[in-house]
Amino acid sequence: AQSVTQLDSQVPVFEEAPVELRCNYSSSVSVYLFWYVQYPNQGLQLLLKYLSGSTLVKGINGFEAEFNKSQTSFHLRKPSVHISDTAEYFCAVSDLNRNQFYFGTGTSLTVIP
Amino acid sequence: NAGVMQNPRHLVRRRGQEARLRCSPMKGHSHVYWYRQLPEEGLKFMVYLQKENIIDESGMPKERFSAEFPKEGPSILRIQQVVRGDSAAYFCASSPPNRGSYEQYFGPGTRLTVT
Repeated sequence: AQSVTQLDSQVPVFEEAPVELRCNYSSSVSVYLFWYVQYPNQGLQLLLKYLSGSTLVKGINGFEAEFNKSQTSFHLRKPSVHISDTAEYFCAVSDLNRNQFYFGTGTSLTVIP
Repeated sequence: NAGVMQNPRHLVRRRGQEARLRCSPMKGHSHVYWYRQLPEEGLKFMVYLQKENIIDESGMPKERFSAEFPKEGPSILRIQQVVRGDSAAYFCASSPPNRGSYEQYFGPGTRLTVT
């Protein structure tokens, strides 16, 4: 079975500062990795995904993530955050043979003016 | 192309009543997934359906919960005799037939409150 750990439940950061949201996973098989963003009272929107190939993945809104197989991590980064980035961020994994996603408990990013 | 539609967006039920949540997948999508999000938690998989078939229901509670995706019409998640612990946000996601991207598109969710 797969599991996802998001170590930071809340991350406050000043506007225009860089941010990293951490995600670690455990799995005995190869996985696909995803980051989703959830704005208040809305559904989840895909930020980026890693399926194969380059370990550095670029997504929407200036976000990127790096897949590190040896450390089983998929940390999300943005060099300069905006107020509009304030939201809940979820890391998720899906193995190649199953049909369900496993989600972390989320990281609440608050951008301070 | 409209996204995944869910209705109602908010649903209030008294204990013991039935709740019916509807999900219309994106056009051309034939795979539907239901997830539950409890307060302060991530999403938990409940069930995966294709048209007229339940493929994986390993995340569904054994009692009171059922799901269907008929040949025509939306997918329905049905909760019978609701209890306070059923209060949560229920999200539906859909994916296309080829699923080569392994990407799921999420709806806005239905927030169920049991009083």
